[in-house]
Amino acid sequence: DTGVSQDPRHKITKRGQNVTFRCDPISEHNRLYWYRQTLGQGPEFLTYFQNEAQLEKSRLLSDRFSAERPKGSFSTLEIQRTEQGDSAMYLCASKEGFDHYEQYFGPGTRLTVT
Amino acid sequence: QKEVEQDPGPLSVPEGAIVSLNCTYSNSAFQYFMWYRQYSRKGPELLMYTYSSGNKEDGRFTAQVDKSSKYISLFIRDSQPSDSATYLCAMSSVAGANNLFFGTGTRLTVIP
Repeated sequence: DTGVSQDPRHKITKRGQNVTFRCDPISEHNRLYWYRQTLGQGPEFLTYFQNEAQLEKSRLLSDRFSAERPKGSFSTLEIQRTEQGDSAMYLCASKEGFDHYEQYFGPGTRLTVT
Repeated sequence: QKEVEQDPGPLSVPEGAIVSLNCTYSNSAFQYFMWYRQYSRKGPELLMYTYSSGNKEDGRFTAQVDKSSKYISLFIRDSQPSDSATYLCAMSSVAGANNLFFGTGTRLTVIP
């Protein structure tokens, strides 16, 4: 399968715990994006990488959130000290380069904070 | 006020109907407009991409952009049960479309 993959697909955690999600983009794509989607809403941009460089972060990305893409391939999104408001679908997308407009989305990781 | 507004529906139509989905926006810098389709428990997939004002047709789908009114539409002709999904409009002010602004999505059900 050559699409964007995300792991895990579902995560249930207790408030205050840390969680980490992984995204594997399409192999030749150098741009990688993270979005958050809450129920009944569209995806909201969180951050994006060009290769290993994190080039833009939304104000939605509080200090408890951190994202990495250490070798310019897969990426991780970590949420520390989770809160109930963090419950959402976390979507990853990748794109081939600046001149390409289509972002290819993964299936998402659904986080439930109890 | 959100930058992109979209009627969340839900919208239910009989098979074969023409469906009209709409979004309005407030940021006049938006020039690149997209429609994504999202099936349940899946990520969004791109349906249509248009630049600036005008129409674009692809099979049963037609996208329209009216920048003067800050209004975009997606028409689906001869709707099929397989079209049942949530449709999201998205837009960007930059050609590379890094930071996409999405609408809330309209949930469509096509009844056989």
